[in-house]
Amino acid sequence: GAVVSQHPSWVICKSGTSVKIECRSLDFQATTMFWYRQFPKQSLMLMATSNEGSKATYEQGVEKDKFLINHASLTLSTLTVTSAHPEDSSFYICSARVAGVPREFFGPGTRLTVL
Amino acid sequence: DAKTTQPPSMDCAEGRAANLPCNHSTISGNEYVYWYRQIHSQGPQYIIHGLKNNETNEMASLIITEDRKSSTLILPHATLRDTAVYYCIVRAQETSGSRLTFGEGTQLTVNP
Repeated sequence: GAVVSQHPSWVICKSGTSVKIECRSLDFQATTMFWYRQFPKQSLMLMATSNEGSKATYEQGVEKDKFLINHASLTLSTLTVTSAHPEDSSFYICSARVAGVPREFFGPGTRLTVL
Repeated sequence: DAKTTQPPSMDCAEGRAANLPCNHSTISGNEYVYWYRQIHSQGPQYIIHGLKNNETNEMASLIITEDRKSSTLILPHATLRDTAVYYCIVRAQETSGSRLTFGEGTQLTVNP
């Protein structure tokens, strides 16, 4: 149980386009979802925390107008990278928490390459 | 959340126990020690967590010192598939918005 999926698993796009990444909790309802970014040979960096039905809380230095997060239901959160540029190329990972369960469940990640 | 310190890399022979240390000297009384691992190009995987007492599950054992300033993750019989980056994280457990802050972790390489 407690599976988190991400779609797509990888995406290549042209500079200036927008890309949407989905994060779904398949067999549970997530009270909170988190979005991370990981550059090559670096650790995971938290980008934002989102709760269903409310605005996401972004970490310092993360542009909320560039990385749009929508958490419309208890099983789905989306991250949209708007006007993507090559420096946005990274591994994007989501995780989900359930109330009362003291750990996160991570998705498999999405590899974004911006040409 | 308290900061953790881990060695950047370790090697272990297949079939032997892997002991991964973590220092967290500024840990508060209500903070838990969590361990996650990340196999290359995958999302992190939860391993184990604890507060004061030693913990064991099907994956690993967690040994926390009495003063709670350090801990050791033990993989009793390492396999090649245990090669990964292992992250030791300290955080308050209960708040749903409490987040994980990943450090650099320890790259464990299990050798045949």
